[in-house]
Amino acid sequence: NAGVTQTPKFQVLKTGQSMTLQCAQDMNHEYMSWYRQDPGMGLRLIHYSVGAGITDQGEVPNGYNVSRSTTEDFPLRLLSAAPSQTSVYFCASSQYGQGDNEKLFFGSGTQLSVL
Amino acid sequence: KQEVTQIPAALSVPEGENLVLNCSFTDSAIYNLQWFRQDPGKGLTSLLLIQSSQREQTSGRLNASLDKSSGRSTLYIAASQPGDSATYLCAVEYGNKLVFGAGTILRVKS
Repeated sequence: NAGVTQTPKFQVLKTGQSMTLQCAQDMNHEYMSWYRQDPGMGLRLIHYSVGAGITDQGEVPNGYNVSRSTTEDFPLRLLSAAPSQTSVYFCASSQYGQGDNEKLFFGSGTQLSVL
Repeated sequence: KQEVTQIPAALSVPEGENLVLNCSFTDSAIYNLQWFRQDPGKGLTSLLLIQSSQREQTSGRLNASLDKSSGRSTLYIAASQPGDSATYLCAVEYGNKLVFGAGTILRVKS
């Protein structure tokens, strides 16, 4: 049982480049989400999904797109990278609305630098 | 605006001490509250989850309490060990969204 898998672990981009951060979970979780973590600011929600075909914006969605075509996968797309998007990105999932199973499971993160 | 604040930002204690980490939130209409641990360069691991109808949860040496009316939660760590050194984050769930505090960096000295 791999849990939540994120790829890549590290990425360096030039301003204006595009890329996709991959996230997959094998726990059949309905809820998946993307966060960014910046020093001294905790984690901030970018986008989330409560099931296949359903996505919604979080606190800081600008510059990012998501889709949820399957239960397992929730990729995050940066269309035109900017230095302000330099951060550590975390994907997380949970079996939403199931009591104690609502605990959020995190991937190991992607460290992104935009030059 | 829904905000979560954690105090202190950093804490250094000798091994064996009991300690308390604090979390406060501005909007008391919460669904649940979670405490997480994050080791350097790693993802977050959920330690305890308290539903809005509960007052506390315990797991081993960890005890988390919740007081919705005052907008506060505490994480109590008994008999601290060097392996407890990490960043501890509090997160409050509102509907489909979790709002995180900035965390408390804990160092337990041997």
